[in-house]
Amino acid sequence: AQSVSQHNHHVILSEAASLELGCNYSYGGTVNLFWYVQYPGQHLQLLLKYFSGDPLVKGIKGFEAEFIKSKFSFNLRKPSVQWSDTAEYFCGVCSGNTGKLIFGQGTTLQVKP
Amino acid sequence: DAGITQSPRYKITETGRQVTLMCHQTWSHSYMFWYRQDLGHGLRLIYYSAAADITDKGEVPDGYVVSRSKTENFPLTLESATRSQTSVYFCASSDDRGNTYEQYFGPGTRLTVT
Repeated sequence: AQSVSQHNHHVILSEAASLELGCNYSYGGTVNLFWYVQYPGQHLQLLLKYFSGDPLVKGIKGFEAEFIKSKFSFNLRKPSVQWSDTAEYFCGVCSGNTGKLIFGQGTTLQVKP
Repeated sequence: DAGITQSPRYKITETGRQVTLMCHQTWSHSYMFWYRQDLGHGLRLIYYSAAADITDKGEVPDGYVVSRSKTENFPLTLESATRSQTSVYFCASSDDRGNTYEQYFGPGTRLTVT
């Protein structure tokens, strides 16, 4: 069965620190990969997505993620976080052409000013 | 551009009552989804639908019923609400054109079962 694992449940960083959030999935076939962000009190918004081509994808607000097929990973990175990045981050995996999107448990990021 | 809407936004109900959460999208997306968000569990898929009259179970379907008679609507019914169903419920839709399946989320419904 398809599953998604986010390793870091709660991350606390100071402003300007670098960020990397881990995401691994279990599914052997073709996947579409997503990172969504949920700011406090808001609904989920797409940060970035991968479905083909260059495995290094860039999203909004300076975020990027790298798809490493051999490691079944899609880690999210940002070189320098800001206080406004405080939010919950969800990794999502859609297997093949089913359209069924499964999320990881989420990572709460707290950025201290 | 209305997008995707959910109603009600907040609901308090009693154990054993039936409650229906509504979801409506204006994009004619073929796929629609229901998730619940709980602390420590992230987002869990309850049910999804690939098209009108086609629905399938997700990760946590027990205690829920869905229907999709029209493409734009995807109601979620709790037939006999339990306290464990207290949660925030998100509806989402996605388009399979281009095979990207990017999902768009509604604002959520906060349900409390007393």
